[in-house]
Amino acid sequence: AQTVTQSQPEMSVQEAETVTLSCTYDTSESDYYLFWYKQPPSRQMILVIRQEAYKQQNATENRFSVNFQKAAKSFSLKISDSQLGDAAMYFCAYRRHGNTGGFKTIFGAGTRLFVKA
Amino acid sequence: GAVVSQHPSRVICKSGTSVKIECRSLDFQATTMFWYRQFPKQSLMLMATSNEGSKATYEQGVEKDKFLINHASLTLSTLTVTSAHPEDSSFYICSAPMGQQETQYFGPGTRLLVL
Repeated sequence: AQTVTQSQPEMSVQEAETVTLSCTYDTSESDYYLFWYKQPPSRQMILVIRQEAYKQQNATENRFSVNFQKAAKSFSLKISDSQLGDAAMYFCAYRRHGNTGGFKTIFGAGTRLFVKA
Repeated sequence: GAVVSQHPSRVICKSGTSVKIECRSLDFQATTMFWYRQFPKQSLMLMATSNEGSKATYEQGVEKDKFLINHASLTLSTLTVTSAHPEDSSFYICSAPMGQQETQYFGPGTRLLVL
């Protein structure tokens, strides 16, 4: 069975600085997707970034980038130039590829990020 | 972008009553939708997979007679909490996958309080 582990319950960063959130996963599949979702106080889940396992290049979205290490089954999220609006709960997630729509997404326990002004 | 809506956003009901929560994909069709439950400061717990035109698939430990799911159309899934009790109070979230990259888009959630 696939699992997703986030070992940092909480993290704190100074505004304008960089922070890295850790995520590891376990799977026997070779093709899959990895995601980082943000859940602010409104509790609306927002997609931050997505990585396809078959792509070696790390995904980036503006200030957000990932360090995807497939062999190590590691998928960390780096937030650069942190802003107060980045304060939220961040969930790492895994999903098998294929069977469009049919495979469930597995979430980690989450990391709460605090941003200090 | 893709939008998933949920209604109601908040509901308070008396113990023993049933509550229906709707999840709609607003600008795309979804043959599959997912229902999650989230307790305070915890992760999302998948309850069931809603399948258009067939029965829902429930996760282990989730009572299918308690949490009725109906995927009435390609844009609508409903979750009915039957004979609600205070322990059913929680935050319920739905999601629907869209596109070949199968990204899940989430509804804004429904906060249920059973008195």
